Amino acid sequence: DIQMTQSPSSLFASVGDRVTITCRATQSISSYLNWYQQKPGKAPKLLIYAASSLQSGVPSRFSGSGSGTDFTLTISSLQPDDFATYYCQQSYSTPLTFGGGTKVEIK
Amino acid sequence: QVQLVESGGGVVQPGGSLRLSCAASGFTFSSYGMYWVRQAPGKGLEWVTFIRFDGSNKYYADSVKGRFTISRDNSKNTLYLQMNSLRAEDTALYYCAKDFGGKAPVQIDIWGQGTMVTVSS
Repeated sequence: DIQMTQSPSSLFASVGDRVTITCRATQSISSYLNWYQQKPGKAPKLLIYAASSLQSGVPSRFSGSGSGTDFTLTISSLQPDDFATYYCQQSYSTPLTFGGGTKVEIK
Repeated sequence: QVQLVESGGGVVQPGGSLRLSCAASGFTFSSYGMYWVRQAPGKGLEWVTFIRFDGSNKYYADSVKGRFTISRDNSKNTLYLQMNSLRAEDTALYYCAKDFGGKAPVQIDIWGQGTMVTVSS
């Protein structure tokens, strides 16, 4: 099974900060990597698919990069609506696996 | 609008069974692969199972293989999850979700709001 490791598990940031979250796979997954945002009490929401493609309707301050085993989600200028938990997920092979999540909190 | 509405959750004793349903609307259900993904209280996301658009292929997490069965009725726009031999560790919010494509898991572009399953004596 492919394990997905996110870092950090939590971070504190201020509005306007540039935030970077990393996700590492235990083997190459090409670009089969998706990023989701989840707010408390809500279902997850797709932000980035295929490592770097922005889902329709998602603000352009979100971007994704990487291929192979190392991936990054970047929020260029953190907004109040962005405080949430972020998950990466590989769709290269089953079992599909998620990272453990990164909680972005207000500093 | 595109919508997934889960139902069927509840409290069940260990060893018991439950069937979840997910009613889909706002898109051509029969064209898309579908998932169940769960989230234990205070924990992260765990993929449970995926079914192809036509029901011909199904994939399961090892943790539920042999106990859970995914199925779909494309004439009723409904996805199901039959859960047998339930364990305490199956306690979670179960999300129904839609794939971007139809044949193999790609990315989840639509999620339902979830239905809670609690396994407890």
